[in-house]
Amino acid sequence: DTGVSQDPRHKITKRGQNVTFRCDPISEHNRLYWYRQTLGQGPEFLTYFQNEAQLEKSRLLSDRFSAERPKGSFSTLEIQRTEQGDSAMYLCASSSTLARYRASYEQYFGPGTRLTVT
Amino acid sequence: AQSVTQLDSQVPVFEEAPVELRCNYSSSVSVYLFWYVQYPNQGLQLLLKYLSGSTLVKGINGFEAEFNKSQTSFHLRKPSVHISDTAEYFCAVSLRPLRGTYKYIFGTGTRLKVLA
Repeated sequence: DTGVSQDPRHKITKRGQNVTFRCDPISEHNRLYWYRQTLGQGPEFLTYFQNEAQLEKSRLLSDRFSAERPKGSFSTLEIQRTEQGDSAMYLCASSSTLARYRASYEQYFGPGTRLTVT
Repeated sequence: AQSVTQLDSQVPVFEEAPVELRCNYSSSVSVYLFWYVQYPNQGLQLLLKYLSGSTLVKGINGFEAEFNKSQTSFHLRKPSVHISDTAEYFCAVSLRPLRGTYKYIFGTGTRLKVLA
């Protein structure tokens, strides 16, 4: 169990550019979540997948944001035409419905990708 | 709608003193409750959780929390803090899975600063 990993850890981009982040969940975990955390705030839910299906999306996830999990393993979060307001830490988490995990309902978080839009 | 309130944005405390970080939640349905810790430039690490059963929950690093249903609170405590406990602490709720959602709703966090 190597934990949840995210890449890149830091990204600086100019306004209007597109960016893509990757999340690799813990290998047995079939649920994957994306959150956004701005300075001085708690993480806010963006979206979640069960296997490859995107089952819930927050109203925070505007049309410029898209998330995928094509094979039910890693996930990508793309932001098109970035704006300065997109500057934040993007956190990925995973959890499992396997019997030995199910009772915990615990989400395991990655280290995050810090996005700075200039 | 569910919400989580952490009343204290910052809590300074001297080393070896006790500390309590407050968390109140609002929900019309049953929830699960969690406390996470975040060290600088790192992700969130679970300290403890309440799912059901005993209302006093013990977690890692000597932390514990008590669920109070009537006051809708889940305060985090530690009897004696160390410098290494300096971090941001987040309270979170999750609707029980029968509600068909698994997302967490977080509070705004409490920055614990332990002074020498």
